[in-house]
Amino acid sequence: RKEVEQDPGPFNVPEGATVAFNCTYSNSASQSFFWYRQDCRKEPKLLMSVYSSGNEDGRFTAQLNRASQYISLLIRDSKLSDSATYLCVVNNKYSGGGADGLTFGKGTHLIIQP
Amino acid sequence: DAGVIQSPRHEVTEMGQEVTLRCKPISGHDYLFWYRQTMMRGLELLIYFNNNVPIDDSGMPEDRFSAKMPNASFSTLKIQPSEPRDSAVYFCASSFGKKNIQYFGAGTRLSVL
Repeated sequence: RKEVEQDPGPFNVPEGATVAFNCTYSNSASQSFFWYRQDCRKEPKLLMSVYSSGNEDGRFTAQLNRASQYISLLIRDSKLSDSATYLCVVNNKYSGGGADGLTFGKGTHLIIQP
Repeated sequence: DAGVIQSPRHEVTEMGQEVTLRCKPISGHDYLFWYRQTMMRGLELLIYFNNNVPIDDSGMPEDRFSAKMPNASFSTLKIQPSEPRDSAVYFCASSFGKKNIQYFGAGTRLSVL
């Protein structure tokens, strides 16, 4: 099983709709989780961290389900500018502390259609 | 604030040539990462440094790849000799402490002919 798995898509969604996608991870000891966004031919940029209690940032909501080992991203009232690839990122800390162990999923491609 | 700066943005070279990619991390960041991204394999961590010291190079594909960080504001990734299968986008990223939020440079798009 891959460490971090995502549905590559593409997800074709009409503007204004709500879209959600999940990401599963294999290491139950994973400690922190993120969603990054990558626009075409650009670098990945942090979209939001994912907290155990779930968190919201404007139209974006992230959830973590440790029992089932998945995280989700929900985008409400989608905009054309939301079209991008969304990368699920999991921090697998095999040893104590530090910024090591970030594993990136291959990303889910989202296309918002007018 | 200047972000992570990579050079060159594009590199086209012939098989067998040496390629050197450069990175300047965000000032004050103590971690630096080198990644490679391809359609097939996604984003792969090659090597990372903490306070200029290489910590984990298990992602470096083979001995043709080497990376250095002579000081806190500069790192290089070298491929010698380069092969067509090395064609990819190479990203450098940096972070501060244990927050694990990484900031990426714009990447170097490498084409080996």
